[in-house]
Amino acid sequence: AQRVTQPEKLLSVFKGAPVELKCNYSYSGSPELFWYVQYSRQRLQLLLRHISRESIKGFTADLNKGETSFHLKKPFAQEEDSAMYYCALRSPHYNQGGKLIFGQGTELSVKP
Amino acid sequence: SQTIHQWPATLVQPVGSPLSLECTVEGTSNPNLYWYRQAAGRGLQLLFYSVGIGQISSEVPQNLSASRPQDRQFILSSKKLLLSDSGFYLCAWILLGRVNTEAFFGQGTRLTVV
Repeated sequence: AQRVTQPEKLLSVFKGAPVELKCNYSYSGSPELFWYVQYSRQRLQLLLRHISRESIKGFTADLNKGETSFHLKKPFAQEEDSAMYYCALRSPHYNQGGKLIFGQGTELSVKP
Repeated sequence: SQTIHQWPATLVQPVGSPLSLECTVEGTSNPNLYWYRQAAGRGLQLLFYSVGIGQISSEVPQNLSASRPQDRQFILSSKKLLLSDSGFYLCAWILLGRVNTEAFFGQGTRLTVV
């Protein structure tokens, strides 16, 4: 079964420190992975897609098929990065409407 | 532009009472719609999804049900709420594409069953 695991419930760092939010997935084929973010009092929204190979707000995420990981990284954390982050995997069963399977979420707290 | 509305924002209901949460989408047709529950330590759990009017798929057995009476309307219901139904419920519309898959979420409903 497809599964997404985020081992850390809470990650606390100081401003300017590097950040890595871990995500591991379980899927035998070629995965389609995403990171979603929820800032305080805002809706859950897309941060980045692995397929786009993009950097958003200084964040990047590289798909490592050997380790089945899609960790989110930023070299220098900012206070405004404090939020809840979810890793998500698109279900490969397209006839089922293309579900998104989410991890448990990691709360990032960036201290001044 | 596409917009997703979800209401109410908060709800306090007694055990055994009925529930109806509504979600509507604007700016698109025949959307794929989803109900998720966000629980502490459990992340976002998919409850139901719908690919069209009258088409409902349930992901987990539970006390809740869903309906899609109109193309852009998705309703989450219960005949008798349980304490364990408390949580944060999110409606989502997922745009499926080869390179631009994206989920758009409603504001969420905080349900407290007392």
